Amino acid sequence: AQSVTQPDIHITVSEGASLELRCNYSYGATPYLFWYVQSPGQGLQLLLKYFSGDTLVQGIKGFEAEFKRSQSSFNLRKPSVHWSDAAEYFCAVGAPWVNTGKLIFGQGTTLQVKP
Amino acid sequence: DVKVTQSSRYLVKRTGEKVFLECVQDMDHENMFWYRQDPGLGLRLIYFSYDVKMKEKGDIPEGYSVSREKKERFSLILESASTNQTSMYLCASSGSGANVLTFGAGSRLTVL
Repeated sequence: AQSVTQPDIHITVSEGASLELRCNYSYGATPYLFWYVQSPGQGLQLLLKYFSGDTLVQGIKGFEAEFKRSQSSFNLRKPSVHWSDAAEYFCAVGAPWVNTGKLIFGQGTTLQVKP
Repeated sequence: DVKVTQSSRYLVKRTGEKVFLECVQDMDHENMFWYRQDPGLGLRLIYFSYDVKMKEKGDIPEGYSVSREKKERFSLILESASTNQTSMYLCASSGSGANVLTFGAGSRLTVL
């Protein structure tokens, strides 16, 4: 079955520290991969996406993610976290051969930032 | 700027009531979606529509129906609300040939 797993439900980091949020997927082929962020009381905003090509992708707000086919992973990273990064982060996958935008989401990781 | 608008941010309804959640997008997108968001479960797809008057069930359609009479509007209907439908409901849209979703701010529904 197709699925997305975010192993960490909740992560706390200090402001200025580096961040890595994990995402693993189970899919029949290499899917399209996404990271979305949800600030409190808001909808989801796209951080970055991977469709093909360079496996290291850059996104907004200083985030990047690396696609590793051998590990079926698409981990999100940021070198220095800011207090405004506190939010919930969702990894998602989509079928590359069906361009409808229908995505499967992970359970989400809540990021808390300590001053 | 691209926009998806959910007219009701917070609703409180009673068990058995009929509930309408409205979503409007101004991007001329073909595809529209209704997701349900619950803590620890992420987002689960209820219904989606890839054209006017077309709809397809998602992963959790039971207890819900949808309506898409115009391209820009996608409504989620709870025929008889139950307490287990208390949740955050997110509407999203995407253009044809694209997999990037644009989300609304969400509608938080409480059923008493």
